[in-house]
Amino acid sequence: NAGVTQTPKFRVLKTGQSMTLLCAQDMNHEYMYWYRQDPGMGLRLIHYSVGEGTTAKGEVPDGYNVSRLKKQNFLLGLESAAPSQTSVYFCASSPPTGRHNQPQHFGDGTRLSIL
Amino acid sequence: RKEVEQDPGPFNVPEGATVAFNCTYSNSASQSFFWYRQDCRKEPKLLMSVYSSGNEDGRFTAQLNRASQYISLLIRDSKLSDSATYLCVVNTGASGTYKYIFGTGTRLKVLA
Repeated sequence: NAGVTQTPKFRVLKTGQSMTLLCAQDMNHEYMYWYRQDPGMGLRLIHYSVGEGTTAKGEVPDGYNVSRLKKQNFLLGLESAAPSQTSVYFCASSPPTGRHNQPQHFGDGTRLSIL
Repeated sequence: RKEVEQDPGPFNVPEGATVAFNCTYSNSASQSFFWYRQDCRKEPKLLMSVYSSGNEDGRFTAQLNRASQYISLLIRDSKLSDSATYLCVVNTGASGTYKYIFGTGTRLKVLA
């Protein structure tokens, strides 16, 4: 019963490098999300997707791109990493939010450091 | 005013104590409410949904006050293992509404 799986768990990058974070869910959820969490800031939404082939910007989208080619996968890309993107990244998924009390389910995070 | 507000704490309580947290929200259209628990450097985990009539799960009781726009979490007989940050989460519940609003969390430390 995997739920939401994120890879990698840890990564150190140099400024200017690119990378992709992968999120996979096996709960057949329509909605998927990428958040970042920084000390004292709480969770901030980067991008989200309400279905295969669709993505949209959240609160802090700059410097990130996403793709949802398959319903179960949601990829987060950093084209040119910057030190300000050092953070813990969480992926989450949920059923459509039109149904009340549908919580999000989170992956266990990716700890990313940009030097 | 923040959309979801929580007292950051920390709440330091002895083992066995009862402790309560409140969380206020600003959008009166909010329909779905949740409490999550987050341990240091780990992912948020759903503790419980909050229903209109209030609900209980073991030592945990959640309540919703729509008139005053807040939800509460009561923990009875606190255990050392309850030490964590508790996040309040609110969603309007409208179809297609992606936005789950997170509070910044309340830290609880249960002391031996």
